[in-house]
Amino acid sequence: SYEVTQPPSVSVSPGQTASITCSGDKLGDKYACWYQQKPGQSPVLVIYKDTKRPSGIPERFSGSNSGNTATLTISGTQAMDEADYYCQAWDSSTVVFGGGTKLTVL
Amino acid sequence: QVQLQESGPGLVKPSETLSLSCTVSGGSISTYYWSWIRQPPGKGLEWIGYIYYTGSTNYNPSLKSRITISVDTSKNRFYLKQTSVTAADTAVYYCARWVATISAFDIWGQGTMVTVSS
Repeated sequence: SYEVTQPPSVSVSPGQTASITCSGDKLGDKYACWYQQKPGQSPVLVIYKDTKRPSGIPERFSGSNSGNTATLTISGTQAMDEADYYCQAWDSSTVVFGGGTKLTVL
Repeated sequence: QVQLQESGPGLVKPSETLSLSCTVSGGSISTYYWSWIRQPPGKGLEWIGYIYYTGSTNYNPSLKSRITISVDTSKNRFYLKQTSVTAADTAVYYCARWVATISAFDIWGQGTMVTVSS
């Protein structure tokens, strides 16, 4: 079955750029999306179709997907961006989530 | 604005069947796909399966033998039944809307905690 892999944790200083990766075999041939989940809350879609932002998501969130790696980039990271982030792909009619990355802003 | 609300027992005994429902409000269930996703305490998200309003389903292969997802369009609800539960099935269960054109979940319910314990 298809799998995608994320680093367990990423740290970033306020105002700097955070990058979270998601790796999977030929992931660039599929659509990747990203969810933000804060403690005690439901996930929120922040990037879909590799690079698209849903309405209401700040411009500092961006995405890319090529080869075997999709990347979520948060520019000018703010304290409010501290959360768990999950990548997700769709392969052979099944949905696959990455294990999640805890983003710490310190 | 479409909203989703999960409901069902918060406690289920081992070996019994977990049953949850998700009510769709603010829009018709007769469009899109509708899905169940779970998250064990302190762990990541796991897709359970989804259903189209016509009743067509697709399940996570690792759970397929124990899962049934159904829909009642007259009530704007869809359902999850999971048999032979164990402590490993303890999790927050979310319902969500799957948008096939973008291969993503755009709307999530608030989630409901289900504990498997005697």
